[in-house]
Amino acid sequence: AQSVTQLGSHVSVSEGALVLLRCNYSSSVPPYLFWYVQYPNQGLQLLLKYTTGATLVKGINGFEAEFKKSETSFHLTKPSAHMSDAAEYFCAVSEVRTGNQFYFGTGTSLTVIP
Amino acid sequence: KAGVTQTPRYLIKTRGQQVTLSCSPISGHRSVSWYQQTPGQGLQFLFEYFSETQRNKGNFPGRFSGRQFSNSRSEMNVSTLELGDSALYLCASSLGRGTGELFFGEGSRLTVL
Repeated sequence: AQSVTQLGSHVSVSEGALVLLRCNYSSSVPPYLFWYVQYPNQGLQLLLKYTTGATLVKGINGFEAEFKKSETSFHLTKPSAHMSDAAEYFCAVSEVRTGNQFYFGTGTSLTVIP
Repeated sequence: KAGVTQTPRYLIKTRGQQVTLSCSPISGHRSVSWYQQTPGQGLQFLFEYFSETQRNKGNFPGRFSGRQFSNSRSEMNVSTLELGDSALYLCASSLGRGTGELFFGEGSRLTVL
């Protein structure tokens, strides 16, 4: 069965500093991987996704993630944090055989310090 | 293009009551999934409907049920509410082919007293 582990439930960075949110997954077949962001009292918004092809994926708002099969990781990065990046971030995995059933990590709350 | 619409946004119920939540997917999307989000358990998959048929089901008791109509709108129902059912219920729609991305609504926040 698939599962997702997000290391660090809370991450704090200074404005302008590098953002690194960690995600490891377990899957018996090549996974589809996603990062979503959730602002207070809102639903989830897709940041980026990996399906096949290039392992470095660029998303919205300057975020990117790299799929590393050997490490079963899909860490999210952004070179320079902005105050508006403060939110909850979720990593998710799905497999073709389970259709649209996504498995989400427990989330990482990002705080940006001015 | 209108996004996923969920109603109501907020509701308060008492133990033992039942509740029905509604979700209107993005036009053209045939798959609707429901997730329960709580601080302790995170996001948990409830079920997915595609073309009016339940295609996947998560590990929730039978008190949780859903359906999808011919226009792809979906409802979920929770009967005999328990305090632990207090949560944000998120609906997500997708085209339904393979594992395309999910588009989420803003959720229905249920409080059970």
